[in-house]
Amino acid sequence: GDSVTQMEGPVTLSEEAFLTINCTYTATGYPSLFWYVQYPGEGLQLLLKATKADDKGSNKGFEATYRKETTSFHLEKGSVQVSDSAVYFCALLVSSGSARQLTFGSGTQLTVLP
Amino acid sequence: DAGVTQSPTHLIKTRGQQVTLRCSPKSGHDTVSWYQQALGQGPQFIFQYYEEEERQRGNFPDRFSGHQFPNYSSELNVNALLLGDSALYLCASSLIGGDEQFFGPGTRLTVL
Repeated sequence: GDSVTQMEGPVTLSEEAFLTINCTYTATGYPSLFWYVQYPGEGLQLLLKATKADDKGSNKGFEATYRKETTSFHLEKGSVQVSDSAVYFCALLVSSGSARQLTFGSGTQLTVLP
Repeated sequence: DAGVTQSPTHLIKTRGQQVTLRCSPKSGHDTVSWYQQALGQGPQFIFQYYEEEERQRGNFPDRFSGHQFPNYSSELNVNALLLGDSALYLCASSLIGGDEQFFGPGTRLTVL
């Protein structure tokens, strides 16, 4: 079945460091791919998305490129801030007719130190 | 523009009891999905409702049931609660066929 594998955390970085969180997926067809972020005690917020191969999603300095050949959607940011500390989830959207369901990875906890 | 709202925020129940969680979708959205997020895990899809019918279901037992009302709001019901049902329950709304789902803050359910 469809699945998402994220790099294991937690990840701890110093402010202004470069961030990469790896995400690979297994899916039939051509799913849309997403990164969601969850701050402590809150629900999930959509960070960015890509709907087809070679698309690059970007938001708030974060980027991810849909790589069909490597079935990957790695999240990157050139310079992290303390406020980026959160849990990041990679997800793919599975379609069945008009119904849609998200399949999530297990999440990566990011802590950014000042 | 109100986003997705859920109630209650927290809930404590004992094994064997039944619980009802509520969700109001974002304005203009017609589809509601429910997810269960155990501690330290990613959310797991429970089911999706559209036009007051369950359209798709994840790998959850029949103890989990739902309902959608004409105003698009939704309820999640869980019967015969088990300790393993303790989790954050997230509601997400969208437009049918759309690929963006907007999440509420969740209901934290603790089963003792």
